[in-house]
Amino acid sequence: KAGVTQTPRYLIKTRGQQVTLSCSPISGHRSVSWYQQTPGQGLQFLFEYFSETQRNKGNFPGRFSGRQFSNSRSEMNVSTLELGDSALYLCASSQGVIATNEKLFFGSGTQLSVL
Amino acid sequence: AQTVTQSQPEMSVQEAETVTLSCTYDTSESDYYLFWYKQPPSRQMILVIRQEAYKQQNATENRFSVNFQKAAKSFSLKISDSQLGDAAMYFCAFALEYGNKLVFGAGTILRVKS
Repeated sequence: KAGVTQTPRYLIKTRGQQVTLSCSPISGHRSVSWYQQTPGQGLQFLFEYFSETQRNKGNFPGRFSGRQFSNSRSEMNVSTLELGDSALYLCASSQGVIATNEKLFFGSGTQLSVL
Repeated sequence: AQTVTQSQPEMSVQEAETVTLSCTYDTSESDYYLFWYKQPPSRQMILVIRQEAYKQQNATENRFSVNFQKAAKSFSLKISDSQLGDAAMYFCAFALEYGNKLVFGAGTILRVKS
């Protein structure tokens, strides 16, 4: 079974540009979550999508948005990039069923550098 | 709001010895989950162990075990018989019973010496 796949692995953008990151969850998983990892702020929750609906949202400005498609693949978009958006963006998938054995599986992330 | 604190930025352990990583958290909820994740240089977060707050028994996974003290809001990870492959960043994380929104600590870098 393939794991969580994130593309691209690395991305370089300039301030003011917009970027789209992609995440393909494990087959059968309906929930996709996104996290931002920076040396200063650590790991912070961005949002979670379940069956194409945003189920949870973190404290990030409206420049950060996401969506989920009917095949559970998810994209994350950041508009008007700022230097502080440079980070590792991690995607995680799960079945999305609220159960005691629910597990999150993470991808290897997309490293975004904003110049 | 929930917070997770890892007070040890870095720890070292000799191969085959035991090391304990500390974690404290703050919440007003009574039902929640606690996790330890490992992040090796590959950057992929790997679940090491999880604990349900309603369970008094400490979770164990092979060489990994936790000391869960609910009243003290403490959740430490013990790694026995440390191996070179255990070297990584370890994150303590918290989640409420519903939803997958994880709150992470700042992480502890674990170095394993041969």
